[in-house]
Amino acid sequence: GQQVMQIPQYQHVQEGEDFTTYCNSSTTLSNIQWYKQRPGGHPVFLIQLVKSGEVKKQKRLTFQFGEAKKNSSLHITATQTTDVGTYFCAGQAAGNKLTFGGGTRVLVKP
Amino acid sequence: KAGVTQTPRYLIKTRGQQVTLSCSPISGHRSVSWYQQTPGQGLQFLFEYFSETQRNKGNFPGRFSGRQFSNSRSEMNVSTLELGDSALYLCASSLKRGLGEKLFFGSGTQLSVL
Repeated sequence: GQQVMQIPQYQHVQEGEDFTTYCNSSTTLSNIQWYKQRPGGHPVFLIQLVKSGEVKKQKRLTFQFGEAKKNSSLHITATQTTDVGTYFCAGQAAGNKLTFGGGTRVLVKP
Repeated sequence: KAGVTQTPRYLIKTRGQQVTLSCSPISGHRSVSWYQQTPGQGLQFLFEYFSETQRNKGNFPGRFSGRQFSNSRSEMNVSTLELGDSALYLCASSLKRGLGEKLFFGSGTQLSVL
């Protein structure tokens, strides 16, 4: 079945630095979504990418969908303490359920 | 409008017991999905309901079951609880089924099995 992998599993970042988390699917996707879960909270939808090579920005967050629609990345610039949490990607292939990756847990060192 | 409501928020059970979790979706949302979250396993899909019918099912044993009512509210039942069932159970609703539907999650029910 469809599998979605995320790396790294953990990301320790110094406040002010940039980092990137990656998402890879075993199958070609129709779309990919990103969610953020704050510690003790529930996942909250961030963004959806649909087109091959699509790039979307939300303030300091940049999301990219690969040309082959099998991978995606989230890049955060100038990390802040408010960025702490776990970032999940979720891929959907035609007719299939949304499959979540294992998440990247982000810890920020002030 | 109100978000997804899950009850109870916390639950403690012992092995062998059964448990029922409840989820009220956002008003107007007709699709409800359930996920199990454990610390190292991410979000594992349990099942999806739409119009009172199960549309998708994850790889969980038959002890896990669910249903959806005509008002779109959903319940999840776990019978013969095992220690490994301890987890955060998240319910998510979406307006309808299909590609590109974003999920709105509830705060979850934290189940502890002793």
